[in-house]
Amino acid sequence: GDSVTQMEGPVTLSEEAFLTINCTYTATGYPSLFWYVQYPGEGLQLLLKATKADDKGSNKGFEATYRKETTSFHLEKGSVQVSDSAVYFCALSRSSNTGKLIFGQGTTLQVKP
Amino acid sequence: EAEVAQSPRYKITEKSQAVAFWCDPISGHATLYWYRQILGQGPELLVQFQDESVVDDSQLPKDRFSAERLKGVDSTLKIQPAELGDSAMYLCASRIQGAGANVLTFGAGSRLTVL
Repeated sequence: GDSVTQMEGPVTLSEEAFLTINCTYTATGYPSLFWYVQYPGEGLQLLLKATKADDKGSNKGFEATYRKETTSFHLEKGSVQVSDSAVYFCALSRSSNTGKLIFGQGTTLQVKP
Repeated sequence: EAEVAQSPRYKITEKSQAVAFWCDPISGHATLYWYRQILGQGPELLVQFQDESVVDDSQLPKDRFSAERLKGVDSTLKIQPAELGDSAMYLCASRIQGAGANVLTFGAGSRLTVL
């Protein structure tokens, strides 16, 4: 079945460091790929998305490129801030009709001043 | 900005008791989802509604969980009886029909603790 695997956390970085959170997926066909972020005490918020191979999603300085050849969608940011501390979830959706999302286990990011 | 409303935010109950969660999606969103997020894991879909109809409840433990969306607007998720393993965050999300790339809007969630 479809699945998403993320790197283990927590990831601890100093402010202004470069961030990479790895995400790989298993799915048939051409799923859409997403990154959601969950700040403490809040629900999930869409961070960025990509719908086809080689698409790059970007938002708030975060980027991720849909790589079909490596079935990956790694999240990157050039310079993290303390306010980026949160849990990040990679997700896929195979059906544009149902909208059902399959999530990875989440990666906690802690950014220290 | 429109939000998905959920209540209660926090619920503590004893095992074998009944518990219910309520969700009011964004106005006009025909598709509604209930997800369960166990601590340290990603959310998993429990049930999906299209208007008032269930379109996917394959992962809903039907012996103790039930969900309804009688008028195709707000929805209730019920657990009876609650078990210790039901402790989790219950997330509601909605999506407008025809929205591109499956963008779901999530509520803040209802955190359940079963003692």
